[in-house]
Amino acid sequence: GAVVSQHPSWVICKSGTSVKIECRSLDFQATTMFWYRQFPKQSLMLMATSNEGSKATYEQGVEKDKFLINHASLTLSTLTVTSAHPEDSSFYICSARDSRGAYNEQFFGPGTRLTVL
Amino acid sequence: AQSVSQHNHHVILSEAASLELGCNYSYGGTVNLFWYVQYPGQHLQLLLKYFSGDPLVKGIKGFEAEFIKSKFSFNLRKPSVQWSDTAEYFCAVKADFSGGYNKLIFGAGTRLAVHP
Repeated sequence: GAVVSQHPSWVICKSGTSVKIECRSLDFQATTMFWYRQFPKQSLMLMATSNEGSKATYEQGVEKDKFLINHASLTLSTLTVTSAHPEDSSFYICSARDSRGAYNEQFFGPGTRLTVL
Repeated sequence: AQSVSQHNHHVILSEAASLELGCNYSYGGTVNLFWYVQYPGQHLQLLLKYFSGDPLVKGIKGFEAEFIKSKFSFNLRKPSVQWSDTAEYFCAVKADFSGGYNKLIFGAGTRLAVHP
């Protein structure tokens, strides 16, 4: 299947700083990418849908000013956690939709573990 | 609201035992159904999917799932598990919303531990 990468795989930052996470589709172009958040022992919660060249669609309860999403190219989407606080510590996972196939399958990145001190 | 329920949070089996993980969803429209697996330290991988046609779908590594529309269920099965099946399993539903927007809704996951 197609490959999606994330960078960094883990990051530790101080409270009040901003952190940028990159999501790349390595061997296909993705007009749509998704950002999820996974708390320990819980499921993936969709945060936002990112469409190349347009504004992201945020799920209810997700602060768009805190979680900035940019999808400037067909292979790269970034999530910036602004003014991070300890409660933002979580596992962030992106996925990219491969529109080449008949089923528009989503492929998931390995995730980024964010720890805010 | 649309939701996905996985009945078992933790399952412990011995090798060669049979596996069935339950998944029910609540959504009245057309759905696409998925099972994903997350091995320890790895990313989510697609096990199998149902879009249409034969409600019994076969996936990788000997897994299969049956879509029962009347029960809103999509249970995952494997006749004989192996130690390497130890992982977390997520059921997901892709639901369509107005404006051509769709998204995957995940269940809470089932953590499977297989003992040799």
